[in-house]
Amino acid sequence: EPEVTQTPSHQVTQMGQEVILRCVPISNHLYFYWYRQILGQKVEFLVSFYNNEISEKSEIFDDQFSVERPDGSNFTLKIRSTKLEDSAMYFCASSEQGSHGYTFGSGTRLTVV
Amino acid sequence: AQSVTQLGSHVSVSEGALVLLRCNYSSSVPPYLFWYVQYPNQGLQLLLKYTSAATLVKGINGFEAEFKKSETSFHLTKPSAHMSDAAEYFCAVSVGGTSYGKLTFGQGTILTVHP
Repeated sequence: EPEVTQTPSHQVTQMGQEVILRCVPISNHLYFYWYRQILGQKVEFLVSFYNNEISEKSEIFDDQFSVERPDGSNFTLKIRSTKLEDSAMYFCASSEQGSHGYTFGSGTRLTVV
Repeated sequence: AQSVTQLGSHVSVSEGALVLLRCNYSSSVPPYLFWYVQYPNQGLQLLLKYTSAATLVKGINGFEAEFKKSETSFHLTKPSAHMSDAAEYFCAVSVGGTSYGKLTFGQGTILTVHP
């Protein structure tokens, strides 16, 4: 069964450093998403991406965040200057069409120290 | 805007007992509804989804959920709990329009199954 692959599974970074979280969506999917889950809290939407541009973003997704699909297979989330409160599990997802055929990756646990 | 409320952050049942996890939603347009399961240190796995077809939806691992528009509910049930069902369960809602594909999750319910 096709999978969404996320790397790394765990990343530790110092406050103020830039991090890039990587995702390989399912190959025929057109819609891409990032979500995050702070420990003990619910899963929160960050951003959706379609046709090489952001289609929607949440209030969490401020100027410190950016997304990119650099080569037609990878989908990345960059945090420019990490804060302690960015520590969370970040999930990538892709879908065939909107909420149909939605598949999540296994996540990247980001720890900011 | 849409929202989801899961009643009960923790539910504990005996093995073989009925599992009932409650989810109520709020949406100004007909929603799509989902239940996801998350095992420790793993990602989100889709259990089942309602997309405006049959109101009783059957999913994987013996789970099912019934969409009740009058009650704005989408409760998850399983007739007989198994030890392997112990996990965290999330209800989620999606609507169309400008929020096409965006999922809004509830707070999650941790299911404990004891022998």
